[in-house]
Amino acid sequence: ETGVTQSPTHLIKTRGQQVTLRCSSQSGHNTVSWYQQALGQGPQFIFQYYREEENGRGNFPPRFSGLQFPNYSSELNVNALELDDSALYLCASSPDPPPTDTQYFGPGTRLTVL
Amino acid sequence: GQNIDQPTEMTATEGAIVQINCTYQTSGFNGLFWYQQHAGEAPTFLSYNVLDGLEEKGRFSSFLSRSKGYSYLLLKELQMKDSASYLCAVPLDYKLSFGAGTTVTVRA
Repeated sequence: ETGVTQSPTHLIKTRGQQVTLRCSSQSGHNTVSWYQQALGQGPQFIFQYYREEENGRGNFPPRFSGLQFPNYSSELNVNALELDDSALYLCASSPDPPPTDTQYFGPGTRLTVL
Repeated sequence: GQNIDQPTEMTATEGAIVQINCTYQTSGFNGLFWYQQHAGEAPTFLSYNVLDGLEEKGRFSSFLSRSKGYSYLLLKELQMKDSASYLCAVPLDYKLSFGAGTTVTVRA
């Protein structure tokens, strides 16, 4: 148990729809990172929030957006869903931003886009 | 940026030893992480190496050579529950860059 939770566990959407995924970090963890993991691949970094501000972004289009709240919860929003967005979405929290702080992952949300 | 390579698959017998190699190229080095990920589950932290050498944690050990851009994860006395994907990851600035993962299958 890492103390990081995500909801929902599974989600099915159709192309063009919008989705919001939620994450609850460990108490005291000021940093949350979101990753996308396609089947058979390693997680790919989407973006990171530190103390409610975006702290870095990977190579994902603007239709991927996020928010972090003062109560250690955060959201990943994806607009105009595409078939290739089907993946496991992971959030990871740490007390402070990497590089040296270990990130602890939640169980993930499996998103299927039809 | 980083380029991280690890083998795709490995198979071993229960009770045996398996070594999973990871090579990396990075513009700055701040250590290397190993994570274990069972199918459909979240990655769980195994080890973090920042200095050269071998670090042992029970049945699992991790080795790092910074000059060679090389690490390995050693799994000893393999158990069926060790069947999983093993990911090496290198932090750069604010993010972790992961390899594609090595799927280890343990057979009876």
